[in-house]
Amino acid sequence: RKEVEQDPGPFNVPEGATVAFNCTYSNSASQSFFWYRQDCRKEPKLLMSVYSSGNEDGRFTAQLNRASQYISLLIRDSKLSDSATYLCVVNSGGSYIPTFGRGTSLIVHP
Amino acid sequence: GAGVSQSPSNKVTEKGKDVELRCDPISGHTALYWYRQSLGQGLEFLIYFQGNSAPDKSGLPSDRFSAERTGGSVSTLTIQRTQQEDSAVYLCASSLASTSGGYEQYFGPGTRLTVT
Repeated sequence: RKEVEQDPGPFNVPEGATVAFNCTYSNSASQSFFWYRQDCRKEPKLLMSVYSSGNEDGRFTAQLNRASQYISLLIRDSKLSDSATYLCVVNSGGSYIPTFGRGTSLIVHP
Repeated sequence: GAGVSQSPSNKVTEKGKDVELRCDPISGHTALYWYRQSLGQGLEFLIYFQGNSAPDKSGLPSDRFSAERTGGSVSTLTIQRTQQEDSAVYLCASSLASTSGGYEQYFGPGTRLTVT
């Protein structure tokens, strides 16, 4: 089993839709979780950290489920500009090298 | 403030030549990472620097790859005798001191390396 797994997609949704991605991790000792966004031919950019209590930033909500070992990202009222690849990143306890998922591709169409 | 910068942005080189890639991290960030990303692929960890500690080189794919970080700031990644399979985007990221808890990473724009 891969350390961090994501559905590659693509998720193809219309503007205004709500879409959610999950990311599963295998190491139960994982401590830090993040979502990054990567546009085509660009570098990854931090979208948001994922806290135990969840995290919300405007249209974006991230949650952590430790029992089932996954994190989620919910995007409400999708915009065309949300089209990108969303990377899940996990830091396992005792390791300073984060593990990146392969990413989930989102395409928002008019 | 200034983000992570990398140079050159693009590099085309002939097979067998050596190349040097540069990364300027965000001021005050003691942790620095190098990654490689091939077209359509995920990020591949290469090397990690933290302050004055010995770097973690566990991700370097071969002994043709090496990296330095001078004065705890600027880093250079050197690839000797380049091969076509080295073609990729090389990304540098920096963060605050990286403990087991982890901190957010900030990426530079990358260097796109093409080996002909």
